[in-house]
Amino acid sequence: DAKTTQPPSMDCAEGRAANLPCNHSTISGNEYVYWYRQIHSQGPQYIIHGLKNNETNEMASLIITEDRKSSTLILPHATLRDTAVYYCIVGGSGSARQLTFGSGTQLTVLP
Amino acid sequence: SAVISQKPSRDICQRGTSLTIQCQVDSQVTMMFWYRQQPGQSLTLIATANQGSEATYESGFVIDKFPISRPNLTFSTLTVSNMSPEDSSIYLCSGRTSGSGLSYNEQFFGPGTRLTVL
Repeated sequence: DAKTTQPPSMDCAEGRAANLPCNHSTISGNEYVYWYRQIHSQGPQYIIHGLKNNETNEMASLIITEDRKSSTLILPHATLRDTAVYYCIVGGSGSARQLTFGSGTQLTVLP
Repeated sequence: SAVISQKPSRDICQRGTSLTIQCQVDSQVTMMFWYRQQPGQSLTLIATANQGSEATYESGFVIDKFPISRPNLTFSTLTVSNMSPEDSSIYLCSGRTSGSGLSYNEQFFGPGTRLTVL
């Protein structure tokens, strides 16, 4: 699986958009980009995933660059409950796919 | 998505003893995994729990230290054997179903078991 690089920490004001970047320059053509988050003392929670196109769901939007070497997770209106470690993971989509977690980004939403 | 529960939620154990962690999923899943998260660190995959056969271990993890059982599609156990303080971690169970083709199947996680070894 391709390696990802994320900033170790970010702050965001409550109510503003949180934009979390991820670099995955060695991503291969059949690898997806997955985002998970881990709120303190809880297990990781799936947020969103994508292959080439931008994706949006009720939690977030995922913007993937045309060359697929980087992506941005957008939380449109961050709340205090969005404070968590956010993990960007790159990997295949097969049934045997394993999630390999990097160090992630600690997002702190400030009141 | 399915809900995973783990027992115990936390424990404090003495060096040299063993602890078995139980993982129960509220629906059948194809894949089950065990992860370890050391204090302040990210998650590390220990093994894939295979139903009816031996688990598949990642590099650095061995069956004698972390025996795993998976008797059916909703239950698995992880035993941490002959514990030392270095085994103090959060142990997380994870599950995923498998669809056809390249369809994505969400991988979901239990709340974790916080283990402290004295």
